[in-house]
Amino acid sequence: NAGVTQTPKFRVLKTGQSMTLLCAQDMNHEYMYWYRQDPGMGLRLIHYSVGEGTTAKGEVPDGYNVSRLKKQNFLLGLESAAPSQTSVYFCASSYLQEPQHFGDGTRLSIL
Amino acid sequence: SQKIEQNSEALNIQEGKTATLTCNYTNYSPAYLQWYRQDPGRGPVFLLLIRENEKEKRKERLKVTFDTTLKQSLFHITASQPADSATYLCALDGGGYQKVTFGIGTKLQVIP
Repeated sequence: NAGVTQTPKFRVLKTGQSMTLLCAQDMNHEYMYWYRQDPGMGLRLIHYSVGEGTTAKGEVPDGYNVSRLKKQNFLLGLESAAPSQTSVYFCASSYLQEPQHFGDGTRLSIL
Repeated sequence: SQKIEQNSEALNIQEGKTATLTCNYTNYSPAYLQWYRQDPGRGPVFLLLIRENEKEKRKERLKVTFDTTLKQSLFHITASQPADSATYLCALDGGGYQKVTFGIGTKLQVIP
């Protein structure tokens, strides 16, 4: 039972490049989330999904897109990476009003 | 605006003592509050959830209190051990689906 798995674990991009972060969960959770964590800022919600085929904006959605084509997967895309998007990205999943289960993060550097 | 305050400075405590971490909030009326632990290089791990109608919750050496009048939660670790060293995050539901908001966390260092 893997829980929440994020790939890749590390990535370095150049400004303007695009990439997709993948999150997979095997707990049959309806809700999935993408956060970014920066020093002194805490976890900030980028986008979330309340079920397959649905997505919604969180606190800091600009510059990111998401898709939830399958219940177990939640993808986060950066269309044109910017240095301000250098961060640690966490994916989480949960049932409604239940604690969230997190992956171990993707460390992304934009040069 | 809604705000969660955790002491951003590290808390150093001697092994065997009780560690107490504070989470204050303003402009929230949370239905529940959660505490998570985060180790370096890892994602947060859920520890305890306390609802607005509960004053206290315990789990092994952990205890959480929730005072909706003071708008404060206290997180206690009794008989602390070096293995308890980590960053502890509090999180409040902001209403509407699962819009949980996290504090920035308090780093706890238990000294042998």
